[in-house]
Amino acid sequence: KAGVTQTPRYLIKTRGQQVTLSCSPISGHRSVSWYQQTPGQGLQFLFEYFSETQRNKGNFPGRFSGRQFSNSRSEMNVSTLELGDSALYLCASSPGAAVNYGYTFGSGTRLTVV
Amino acid sequence: ELKVEQNPLFLSMQEGKNYTIYCNYSTTSDRLYWYRQDPGKSLESLFVLLSNGAVKQEGRLMASLDTKARLSTLHITAAVHDLSATYFCAVVTYGGATNKLIFGTGTLLAVQP
Repeated sequence: KAGVTQTPRYLIKTRGQQVTLSCSPISGHRSVSWYQQTPGQGLQFLFEYFSETQRNKGNFPGRFSGRQFSNSRSEMNVSTLELGDSALYLCASSPGAAVNYGYTFGSGTRLTVV
Repeated sequence: ELKVEQNPLFLSMQEGKNYTIYCNYSTTSDRLYWYRQDPGKSLESLFVLLSNGAVKQEGRLMASLDTKARLSTLHITAAVHDLSATYFCAVVTYGGATNKLIFGTGTLLAVQP
């Protein structure tokens, strides 16, 4: 059974550019969550999608956005990149709305903004 | 807003020794997860604790949950070098039909020979 797939693994972008990250959840999973991990702030929740609807959003500026497609794949977009956006972005999938199942994380996308 | 605190933040221990990592959280929740992260890698699920008094064990690691005390512990027995990693606890917050994980600060465990 394939795990959570995130692409690309590594990205280098320049300040002011925008970036799109992709996450394919485990087959049959309908919930996708995104997290940002930095040495200073740790793991912070960005947003969660379930059946193409954003159900929850963390405390990030509007430059961070996402969406989910009908096949449950999700994309995250960051516009007008800042140096502080450099981080490991992790995607997690879960079977559904219930939290009993736990979350499976992908390998992450490491974004470096220069 | 739910806050999750772990201590210690850094733990250096010798092989063969026992130790406990603590995870305290500030509001009611009955779902807690423990994850392991190796340097540059993603998060690996270790335990899912779903009710008060839950205890799970896998190898040299044992996790427990006390929802009344809002406390979870991760106990390491007879540590080996392979256990060196960062360990995170994460607590679920509920918001109607939504939920999210709030992570602790992480505990960097270094097991010395």
